[in-house]
Order: sequence, then structure tokens, then C-alpha cells
Amino acid sequence: QKEVEQDPGPLSVPEGAIVSLNCTYSNSAFQYFMWYRQYSRKGPELLMYTYSSGNKEDGRFTAQVDKSSKYISLFIRDSQPSDSATYLCAMKSVGNSGGSNYKLTFGKGTLLTVNP
Amino acid sequence: EADIYQTPRYLVIGTGKKITLECSQTMGHDKMYWYQQDPGMELHLIHYSYGVNSTEKGDLSSESTVSRIRTEHFPLTLESARPSHTSQYLCASQGAGDTQYFGPGTRLTVL
Repeated sequence: QKEVEQDPGPLSVPEGAIVSLNCTYSNSAFQYFMWYRQYSRKGPELLMYTYSSGNKEDGRFTAQVDKSSKYISLFIRDSQPSDSATYLCAMKSVGNSGGSNYKLTFGKGTLLTVNP
Repeated sequence: EADIYQTPRYLVIGTGKKITLECSQTMGHDKMYWYQQDPGMELHLIHYSYGVNSTEKGDLSSESTVSRIRTEHFPLTLESARPSHTSQYLCASQGAGDTQYFGPGTRLTVL
């Protein structure tokens, strides 16, 4: 079983739709959760970063973490054609010294297309 | 916007050639990483460095090597390229915080 599972899609939605992207994980040591956005022919860029269970909102984006279910989500409200990209979840565990372990484990990414 | 650069952006070479993929960052970050990304697959960590003269192999076995002689520079070398090395190679750096900043990637094709 892979440590991080993410449905690769592709996902195609009309402009204005609410998009839900999800990842599940099996390693209970993961405590830090991130969502990266990767446009075609570019490197990933950090979109959202969260540590605790619950919701974190930033503009049209909401990251949700449920550690009891080992499940994280990214919601995009009022989706725009400019949101068309691959969205990668990533996570990492706590290091031996108590701080974060630097190495990230990524999902496969979900390719999202928002149609005007 | 992060200042991390990768050259070349695209490279097509023949089997057996030695190649070096360049990665530079101007943010003074201690930690740097090389990932391999194939279409529809996860990013896999192949090398990382926590500072000058520090290099470690990542989770994915790779025939490449790296060096870290200067803080800002983290080149990746393939001594003898093979078609199985065809992939996208992404470099990232990280400072005191938890954010990894990625370069634009090098798309390598070995014929």
C-alpha cells in the first residue's frame, strides 16, 4: 500500500464550480500537510500548508485535515480557468528532534481543468 | 516568487553521454533537494543536502550523483545516460521554514 493515495483524475469542471480534491494516507506519523499547485511545464508551488486537524482558509481555497480518518482535502470555491493545473498533496512526519522531518511524501497529483 | 533556477530546461541526448543538470538558488537556503517526476506519478526524492559538503541519497534509487560545494549550487550528474533516465528532474530548496521552493524543472530525454 502506498503511503499517500491521490486520485489522478483528470477532473474537468465548469467555471464557478466547487472543486474537491482529496488524499488519503496510511502513515500515522505524518503531521504536516501541504497542497502544491503545478502548472504545465513549471515546478510545483506551495498553495496551502496546515498542521492541525480542521479547516484552514485562504481566499477561495480551503484545506481540510482529518487525522482520525487519515484524510485531507482541498476545496476550491468559484473555480476559475486559471485554476487549471495539477494539484499535489504532500505530507511529512515529525523529526527525531521534535521539529518537522524535512522529507516530503507526495501524492500522484490530480489534473484539474476548469472550462470557461 | 522563489529565486531558484534550473538549466537546461530541456535536454535531448544520446545514450552513454555524461550530463550535468544545474540548480542554483539565491535565497541562501541550506537545504536542497532533487526530485524525479514522471507523468502521472509521484515526485520521488533522489538526492538531498542539508548544507555544504552534505549529500544524501533519497528514497528512490538513482544512478545519478550530486555535489554541494557552495550553498547556492546543487548540480546533478549522470555519468552515462540511458533511456531509462528519461524523466523530469525538479530541484527544490528550503530555508528555516517548512516551505520547499521548486525550480521550473529539466525535462530530459535520452535516445
